[in-house]
Amino acid sequence: EVQLVDSGGGLVQPGGSLRLSCAASGFIFGTYWMHWVRQVPGKGLVWVSRISSDGSSTTYADSVKGRFTISRDNAKNTLYLQMNSLRVEDTAVYYCVREQIKTMDVWGQGTTVTVFS
Amino acid sequence: QSALTQPASVSGSLGQSITISCTGTSSDVGGYNFVSWYQQHPGKAPKLMIYTVSDRPSGVSTRFSGSKSGNTASLTISGLQAEDEADYYCGSYTSSDTLVFGGGTKLTVL
Repeated sequence: EVQLVDSGGGLVQPGGSLRLSCAASGFIFGTYWMHWVRQVPGKGLVWVSRISSDGSSTTYADSVKGRFTISRDNAKNTLYLQMNSLRVEDTAVYYCVREQIKTMDVWGQGTTVTVFS
Repeated sequence: QSALTQPASVSGSLGQSITISCTGTSSDVGGYNFVSWYQQHPGKAPKLMIYTVSDRPSGVSTRFSGSKSGNTASLTISGLQAEDEADYYCGSYTSSDTLVFGGGTKLTVL
């Protein structure tokens, strides 16, 4: 079964850091581009970041550029999102997502990040 | 990158058909056939329903269909069922080599 399992969310104060992880199984992880998408409860989906299949290319939304870093370990079938200098407005559910044909075809269950002052 | 424009809500009766629109620009919806639609039930992760404008993933009901004209894409759900009540989001690849979503549409089945 193709599956993505998100973890690493939690409570953190403004200016703090968190590292999210996403464990992939059921497919050849190293052949797919991967993304992080976030959603404030009750609000819409917002694309955050993308990484190429070999990790050599990364792209970020302007709102997180310079603060968040996406990375992957294909040997461990794991995607990461290092989040630094967190702000209250980063509070959201974060989803790990697989890309296929420029479409988000498989989603993790999400992990909740709460930045509180 | 601005979000794509969707109606905040639509409603329809059991068995009827509804259409949700998704308007972008020539830099996203109008410029590429990489438009997708996602269904999200409360407390759940989004689920892919339509990709590349009008293709359905395996397992998705044929009651769901997609189309595009110019800068506007549409999702049509025919023969509405109670379990179709959910939030629906469109998504598109963009000229900035990123992806953008619509603001979401809440579907109510009467």
